[in-house]
Amino acid sequence: GAVVSQHPSWVICKSGTSVKIECRSLDFQATTMFWYRQFPKQSLMLMATSNEGSKATYEQGVEKDKFLINHASLTLSTLTVTSAHPEDSSFYICSAALVVGYGNTIYFGEGSWLTVV
Amino acid sequence: GQNIDQPTEMTATEGAIVQINCTYQTSGFNGLFWYQQHAGEAPTFLSYNVLDGLEEKGRFSSFLSRSKGYSYLLLKELQMKDSASYLCAVRARSGGYQKVTFGTGTKLQVIP
Repeated sequence: GAVVSQHPSWVICKSGTSVKIECRSLDFQATTMFWYRQFPKQSLMLMATSNEGSKATYEQGVEKDKFLINHASLTLSTLTVTSAHPEDSSFYICSAALVVGYGNTIYFGEGSWLTVV
Repeated sequence: GQNIDQPTEMTATEGAIVQINCTYQTSGFNGLFWYQQHAGEAPTFLSYNVLDGLEEKGRFSSFLSRSKGYSYLLLKELQMKDSASYLCAVRARSGGYQKVTFGTGTKLQVIP
């Protein structure tokens, strides 16, 4: 089946630094990728929708300048957390949409645990 | 915007059947997903409904009524490993693009 790879799985960074998370669709082309954030014991909160070759569409309340999203190719989207602070510590997860005929499935990456110290 | 509601928690007995409901209000509806998520792991895909009716996949079935803004996930012959959170997600067209929004999730506990 379709596979979405996310890297890194775990990252610890110092407050004030930037961290980049990559999301790759390994065996299919994804024109649309989604970035979510999940706090413990809560559901996934959509941060932004990333479309290949265009600017990401951010959800209300998500800072565009803090969470930079780039979707440079049909198989890669990146999320950069700039000037990270401890409150940015969370589980970040991407997903990619695969459309086959009338079918439509969204596959998730493994997720990235970010800890800002 | 979208409003997606699911029960927060449910408990069911091993071997039994459980139904997890999801109601939604949205414009530009374009499909509903169900995902299973174990603690600390990424969600795994269970089902996708875009037309009304019931779709069955082994022990799992998913139903959709677009006119009622209602879906349910049916789990049969429950096993202990089915203890997890079940997430309902709605795909909708919004401002020229499509996005997928998740409900709060239903934490299912299967007991012996």
